[in-house]
Amino acid sequence: GENVEQHPSTLSVQEGDSAVIKCTYSDSASNYFPWYKQELGKRPQLIIDIRSNVGEKKDQRIAVTLNKTAKHFSLHITETQPEDSAVYFCAATEDNFNKFYFGSGTKLNVKP
Amino acid sequence: NAGVMQNPRHLVRRRGQEARLRCSPMKGHSHVYWYRQLPEEGLKFMVYLQKENIIDESGMPKERFSAEFPKEGPSILRIQQVVRGDSAAYFCASSPPLGGSYGYTFGSGTRLTVV
Repeated sequence: GENVEQHPSTLSVQEGDSAVIKCTYSDSASNYFPWYKQELGKRPQLIIDIRSNVGEKKDQRIAVTLNKTAKHFSLHITETQPEDSAVYFCAATEDNFNKFYFGSGTKLNVKP
Repeated sequence: NAGVMQNPRHLVRRRGQEARLRCSPMKGHSHVYWYRQLPEEGLKFMVYLQKENIIDESGMPKERFSAEFPKEGPSILRIQQVVRGDSAAYFCASSPPLGGSYGYTFGSGTRLTVV
């Protein structure tokens, strides 16, 4: 089955700096890659996603890049704010398969 | 639209008791998924169900765990004879018939504590 690895496990940045979280996957059949933000004690919430026919996607301060050849994808957050502090999870799945494989999470701390 | 509803939010059980976790999918969603999140870890897939059918239970422990999604009513995840290692957050997600990536939405989770 699919194996998703995520790095780093913790990331501390100063407010206004950029944050980058990286994930790798093993199954070349995976073609949908969502990113979730989970605040303490709350549900994971989708913040951005990318499909394998696209190399990059942006939504305001958040962007995701995908390298299919290398089987890795990254989350980029620019101009970080304290409210960006949370745990971020990457995931991979085949578009029609309905089972998501999650990374182990990155705890992002944005210091004011 | 009330979203994916899970209850209870918190559940405390003594070792050996049964835990029943309920999940009502979003309106119009016919696919339900259960995930377990151990402290400081990512979500791990447990089971995928449609009405009256278990589609994929490859992530379910072989013993003590069962899931159902009846024709009427919520999906139920049942854990019999709970042990301390079952303490975790259990999240349910639902999606419409098109497939998981289209509108995959998580509930707020049930935090199970076994004492």
